[in-house]
Amino acid sequence: KAGVTQTPRYLIKTRGQQVTLSCSPISGHRSVSWYQQTPGQGLQFLFEYFSETQRNKGNFPGRFSGRQFSNSRSEMNVSTLELGDSALYLCASSSRVGGNTIYFGEGSWLTVV
Amino acid sequence: DQQVKQNSPSLSVQEGRISILNCDYTNSMFDYFLWYKKYPAEGPTFLISISSIKDKNEDGRFTVFLNKSAKHLSLHIVPSQPGDSAVYFCAASLNNYGQNFVFGPGTRLSVLP
Repeated sequence: KAGVTQTPRYLIKTRGQQVTLSCSPISGHRSVSWYQQTPGQGLQFLFEYFSETQRNKGNFPGRFSGRQFSNSRSEMNVSTLELGDSALYLCASSSRVGGNTIYFGEGSWLTVV
Repeated sequence: DQQVKQNSPSLSVQEGRISILNCDYTNSMFDYFLWYKKYPAEGPTFLISISSIKDKNEDGRFTVFLNKSAKHLSLHIVPSQPGDSAVYFCAASLNNYGQNFVFGPGTRLSVLP
């Protein structure tokens, strides 16, 4: 069974631009969550989607947004990029919400210059 | 305010010996805990989980112990192998609040041959 797939793996953007990252969950998984990992802040929860609905949101500004499609694939978007948005963005999927293991993809490395 | 703490940034252990990684949490409402291993430039790999209704869970060389009264959990790896060298994260969540896991800052384990 294929794991969580994230694209692109690496990208470089300029301050002020916007970026869209994509995530395909494990087949059959309907819950997708996004995390940001930086050296200073560690792994931080961005948001979670289940059945195309955002269920939870972390403490990130409105520049960070996401969506989920009917096939459970998810995208996250960051607008008006700042240097501090440089991070590893990780997508995780789970078969259900609540008290369940989440499985991570390889991540998308974003560098903002 | 860190809700999940891993007070040892690094740990070195001889191959074949036991590795013990510790994690403390402050929110007594957390009821589901996970451990992940992470290699550089890869996404976290799920190791083992434990629900608050248990105090121990075993999977091969990995055992997680949960002490709810002390708000403490630990991961034991026996025997330790050089391939176990990685950063280990513990994560905690509230069962009814989706996949909003709070991660600790990680402990870098080095298993020396």
